[in-house]
Amino acid sequence: QKEVEQNSGPLSVPEGAIASLNCTYSDRGSQSFFWYRQYSGKSPELIMSIYSNGDKEDGRFTAQLNKASQYVSLLIRDSQPSDSATYLCAVKPSGGSNYKLTFGKGTLLTVNP
Amino acid sequence: GAGVSQTPSNKVTEKGKYVELRCDPISGHTALYWYRQSLGQGPEFLIYFQGTGAADDSGLPNDRFFAVRPEGSVSTLKIQRTERGDSAVYLCASSPLYTATTDTQYFGPGTRLTVL
Repeated sequence: QKEVEQNSGPLSVPEGAIASLNCTYSDRGSQSFFWYRQYSGKSPELIMSIYSNGDKEDGRFTAQLNKASQYVSLLIRDSQPSDSATYLCAVKPSGGSNYKLTFGKGTLLTVNP
Repeated sequence: GAGVSQTPSNKVTEKGKYVELRCDPISGHTALYWYRQSLGQGPEFLIYFQGTGAADDSGLPNDRFFAVRPEGSVSTLKIQRTERGDSAVYLCASSPLYTATTDTQYFGPGTRLTVL
């Protein structure tokens, strides 16, 4: 079974700090990786996608992908209290079912003012 | 433009009853997905539609669950003889499916189903 693993947290950081969220996946052939943010009681909201090894930056967010290590991370710089949410890592598998997302359980991030 | 919409936002039903959950995808999106999210878990795939047909229903837990998308737009997830274990948030997503690799799924607000 193809799995996506995340630390459930909670991860607590002070306002202005860097929050680092990590995710590992079991399907070595996976090609597409996504980070969704989910506020309590709300639906997942896409914040980053990454497809190639290396870093991808978008504002305060940086996604990092290392396919050899089967590892993807999300860095949030200058964390704000409004970043407090659950962050879901999602992976598209290889092969014929490369349309379905497999999610981790999510990491709860709390940014303290 | 308008995002994915789902109705109802909340549904409370009794064990054994039948329920229908509706999803209206983003206009022009050909692909539609249903996921189920239990408390403390990530969303789990249920079914995928490409146009009107269910291209993959491997995630449906059993034959009490069924989904349709008759005109290639709105979809309805149908659950017969509901059980308490069906209680969860049912999420719908849609995507344009321009390419499989970079295709991005956008989620609706979900329907919270509670089976008493």
